Amino acid sequence: EAQVTQNPRYLITVTGKKLTVTCSQNMNHEYMSWYRQDPGLGLRQIYYSMNVEVTDKGDVPEGYKVSRKEKRNFPLILESPSPNQTSLYFCASSPIGQSSYEQYFGPGTRLTVT
Amino acid sequence: ELKVEQNPLFLSMQEEKNYTIYCNYSTTSDRLYWYRQDPGKSLESLFVLLSNGAVKQEGRLMASLDTKARLSTLHITAAVHDLSATYFCAVDMRNNNDMRFGAGTRLTVKP
Repeated sequence: EAQVTQNPRYLITVTGKKLTVTCSQNMNHEYMSWYRQDPGLGLRQIYYSMNVEVTDKGDVPEGYKVSRKEKRNFPLILESPSPNQTSLYFCASSPIGQSSYEQYFGPGTRLTVT
Repeated sequence: ELKVEQNPLFLSMQEEKNYTIYCNYSTTSDRLYWYRQDPGKSLESLFVLLSNGAVKQEGRLMASLDTKARLSTLHITAAVHDLSATYFCAVDMRNNNDMRFGAGTRLTVKP
């Protein structure tokens, strides 16, 4: 089944404790992206990647890091989480160079930083 | 400033009525997307609009794109309860994979 998976789905942590949220897709998509969703703000793009070893900042990259060492994986790293990073996070992927550019979203990771 | 404005933000409709959701954006783009999100769920792709004048229809939903006006619309025909959800538009700003989402329209269809 074609899908985007995220782990963990739920995470409660404390300020300053480094964490990683994993994202993996099995559709051989070049493009992957991370978003955060906050009430009333829609989704805001954090980072995106056009291919392996190519990453770019989105709208709200501060406090986040990403890496793209393999095509299928795009982990989101919070080196020192703070309470204002409490949010619902989505990973997405899409093909590039085709007519669609349709993004496929993962199930989401709900992060609480206390 | 790169921004996407969606309105209305809240929409309460009666079944069988028609309505339109609007999505305005601030910079050049001819890649616009509509998504649906049910409570507690992820986003589901509804439409991908990739050129000026593009129109796509699926069931009771029809989306269009006017790149000159920087406007997309999502038209709902004869609403039914199953359409209750939050709808987002997203714009690929400057066709550069810089994705900006509208704040979402929470649609409630009442009998």
